[in-house]
Amino acid sequence: EDQVTQSPEALRLQEGESSSLNCSYTVSGLRGLFWYRQDPGKGPEFLFTLYSAGEEKEKERLKATLTKKESFLHITAPKPEDSATYLCAVQSRGSNYKLTFGKGTLLTVNP
Amino acid sequence: KAGVTQTPRYLIKTRGQQVTLSCSPISGHRSVSWYQQTPGQGLQFLFEYFSETQRNKGNFPGRFSGRQFSNSRSEMNVSTLELGDSALYLCASSLVNGGAPDTQYFGPGTRLTVL
Repeated sequence: EDQVTQSPEALRLQEGESSSLNCSYTVSGLRGLFWYRQDPGKGPEFLFTLYSAGEEKEKERLKATLTKKESFLHITAPKPEDSATYLCAVQSRGSNYKLTFGKGTLLTVNP
Repeated sequence: KAGVTQTPRYLIKTRGQQVTLSCSPISGHRSVSWYQQTPGQGLQFLFEYFSETQRNKGNFPGRFSGRQFSNSRSEMNVSTLELGDSALYLCASSLVNGGAPDTQYFGPGTRLTVL
């Protein structure tokens, strides 16, 4: 069974203070790892898809990286508008299109 | 391009009733998945439909069912509602190409409250 663990559960940063979120996973053959951002009361918003170890993707202040056991979401010089819950999900070869999600990291960026 | 739309956005029901939620995918997307999100369990997979066929189902009781229409729109139904069914129900749509995993794009969700 696919498993995803995200850490920390909550992270509080000052504006401009860079940090990283972790997503550890166990799957039987990774097809893809996905990062989403979710604001309160809204649906998850897609950020990145990573397919294989060593892959990296960037978007504005966010950079996602992938190894064979975990993924990191690096946030550089965050702003208050980056405050949200960040969700990691995996899709494995035997999952029949299902995404397995972690519980998320609640990020708060103070001005 | 319009995103995934879900109706209604909010619902209040009482125990024992049934409810139907609707989802319209992004134009051209033929796969529709449903998830339940609660504070304790997070996002949990309910089922996935493609070409009007259910291809996968999560570990939920038979009270949870769904269907997909020929235009890819989907509905899910929950019968005999229980208090524990209170949650945000999310629909996601994706392309299907048989190769690389297809990104799922989520709608705003339907907030169901069972009293």
